[in-house]
Amino acid sequence: GAVVSQHPSRVICKSGTSVKIECRSLDFQATTMFWYRQFPKQSLMLMATSNEGSKATYEQGVEKDKFLINHASLTLSTLTVTSAHPEDSSFYICSARGVSNADTQYFGPGTRLTVL
Amino acid sequence: GENVEQHPSTLSVQEGDSAVIKCTYSDSASNYFPWYKQELGKRPQLIIDIRSNVGEKKDQRIAVTLNKTAKHFSLHITETQPEDSAVYFCAASTGSSASKIIFGSGTRLSIRP
Repeated sequence: GAVVSQHPSRVICKSGTSVKIECRSLDFQATTMFWYRQFPKQSLMLMATSNEGSKATYEQGVEKDKFLINHASLTLSTLTVTSAHPEDSSFYICSARGVSNADTQYFGPGTRLTVL
Repeated sequence: GENVEQHPSTLSVQEGDSAVIKCTYSDSASNYFPWYKQELGKRPQLIIDIRSNVGEKKDQRIAVTLNKTAKHFSLHITETQPEDSAVYFCAASTGSSASKIIFGSGTRLSIRP
């Protein structure tokens, strides 16, 4: 089946620094990738939708200047959390949707971000 | 936009009994309804999905029903086993390549031995 990877799996950083998270589709081309944030014991909240070669579409309330998304190729999207603060600590999960099956999203394993 | 509500938030059933989780959605344009199982600290895993052109779908011990008129859909797990313990999320989408999947709030299912 389709495989999506994320890197890193865990990251701890100091407040004020920036962190980049990579999401890769390993065996298929992902025309659309999605970024979610999940706080403990809560649901997945969609942050933004990114399409290869175009600007990401952010959900209401998500700061696009703080959460920079780049989808430069059909297999890679990156999320950069700029000037991270403790309240940005969360589980960030990406998902990818291919061309052949437009319905199904394949999720990455997630990245646990802790901001000290 | 789409809003998906899910009930109950927690559910405890005796091993071997059935579990039912219910969801409602608001956008009549939604036509794809996946269900995900998430274990602690791991990615959501698709366990079953249904499209709006069918009313019911079954895969071994798992079944999903859809009532388009009422905008309700439900997950049924029969003969529950300890490994069924997890958080389950329903979701809804319009199903196009650009459409987003909106998740329900989740149900924490515990199976009592």
